[in-house]
Amino acid sequence: DAGVTQSPTHLIKTRGQQVTLRCSPKSGHDTVSWYQQALGQGPQFIFQYYEEEERQRGNFPDRFSGHQFPNYSSELNVNALLLGDSALYLCASSLITGGSSPLHFGNGTRLTVT
Amino acid sequence: AQSVTQPDIHITVSEGASLELRCNYSYGATPYLFWYVQSPGQGLQLLLKYFSGDTLVQGIKGFEAEFKRSQSSFNLRKPSVHWSDAAEYFCAVGGRGSGGSNYKLTFGKGTLLTVNP
Repeated sequence: DAGVTQSPTHLIKTRGQQVTLRCSPKSGHDTVSWYQQALGQGPQFIFQYYEEEERQRGNFPDRFSGHQFPNYSSELNVNALLLGDSALYLCASSLITGGSSPLHFGNGTRLTVT
Repeated sequence: AQSVTQPDIHITVSEGASLELRCNYSYGATPYLFWYVQSPGQGLQLLLKYFSGDTLVQGIKGFEAEFKRSQSSFNLRKPSVHWSDAAEYFCAVGGRGSGGSNYKLTFGKGTLLTVNP
């Protein structure tokens, strides 16, 4: 049973560019959340998708957008990259009807903006 | 607003010694509480969770945590630390989702555990 998979594992971009990160949830899960983890910090919630809609959003600018597909996989898009966007981006999946279903995290995508 | 404080940035213990990592949270209702562990370059692995019921919860790898509502704490403990426990530990708080959403987590800044042989 595959867990949460993210691609790519590492990415280097230049300021001003755009980037797309991808996530496949754990089998059976229907909700995907994205978190940003800056160096030396705890993860911060970006947004959550369920039924292909953004359901909750953290304190991130509109440059951060996402999408969820019918197969529950998800993409995170970041436009007009800034140096401060360099971080580990973590995808987490869960089952919304589980009530007390814990989040399962992928290994993340390390984004470096130069 | 929900928040988590992990007062200890870095803790060093000897292998075989006991361990307690502190976590204090702020949340307006009954919280969901979690401890995750992260090895370098890796994602987060769930150690244990509290949703309701018994306030002493058991997790994987011999870890346990106790929810103390009066102290807004959820400290992580292990009676005997192994060298492989060296990692960063994150406490997180969330609450029941609503309106077609699941809960979101607020994490502390983490505690880095070093284990001396």
